[in-house]
Amino acid sequence: KAGVTQTPRYLIKTRGQQVTLSCSPISGHRSVSWYQQTPGQGLQFLFEYFSETQRNKGNFPGRFSGRQFSNSRSEMNVSTLELGDSALYLCASSLKGPGSRNTEAFFGQGTRLTVV
Amino acid sequence: AQSVSQHNHHVILSEAASLELGCNYSYGGTVNLFWYVQYPGQHLQLLLKYFSGDPLVKGIKGFEAEFIKSKFSFNLRKPSVQWSDTAEYFCAVTTNTNAGKSTFGDGTTLTVKP
Repeated sequence: KAGVTQTPRYLIKTRGQQVTLSCSPISGHRSVSWYQQTPGQGLQFLFEYFSETQRNKGNFPGRFSGRQFSNSRSEMNVSTLELGDSALYLCASSLKGPGSRNTEAFFGQGTRLTVV
Repeated sequence: AQSVSQHNHHVILSEAASLELGCNYSYGGTVNLFWYVQYPGQHLQLLLKYFSGDPLVKGIKGFEAEFIKSKFSFNLRKPSVQWSDTAEYFCAVTTNTNAGKSTFGDGTTLTVKP
């Protein structure tokens, strides 16, 4: 079974631009969560989607948004990029939904975003 | 909201030494606990997890962790480390009401000297 796939692996964008990152969960998984990893802030939760609905959101500005499609694939978008948005963006998928017990997340390799 | 604290930011050990990495969480309800490892240039991999039952859980590569509810702790242990264990280790917690939201500790970088 294929793991969580994130594309692209690397991105370089200019300040002020916008970017879209993609995540394909493990087949059959319906929950997708996004995280930002930086040396200074560690791993920070961005948001979670289940059945095409955002179920949970972290403390990030509105420039960060996401969506989930009917096939459970998810995208996240960052508008008006800032230098501080440079990070590794990780996607994780889970078999069960937000209120389920014993849920384990499987992480993708991430997208390394560099804002110049 | 839950939080996770990892006590050691950087640990340096010689091969064959024993390892214990501390992890404490703050949350008053039922939690699920995880340890992940991130090797250089690789993605997060699950080492072990605790949902319920026996508080001593065994994971891959000889790692184990003990959940002590009274201390809100979930420390990671390995009796004898190898050079290949050099990596960053993250403790994480989820709750049953927010199972899709993992709260991570800041991570511990482990360097094992050959």
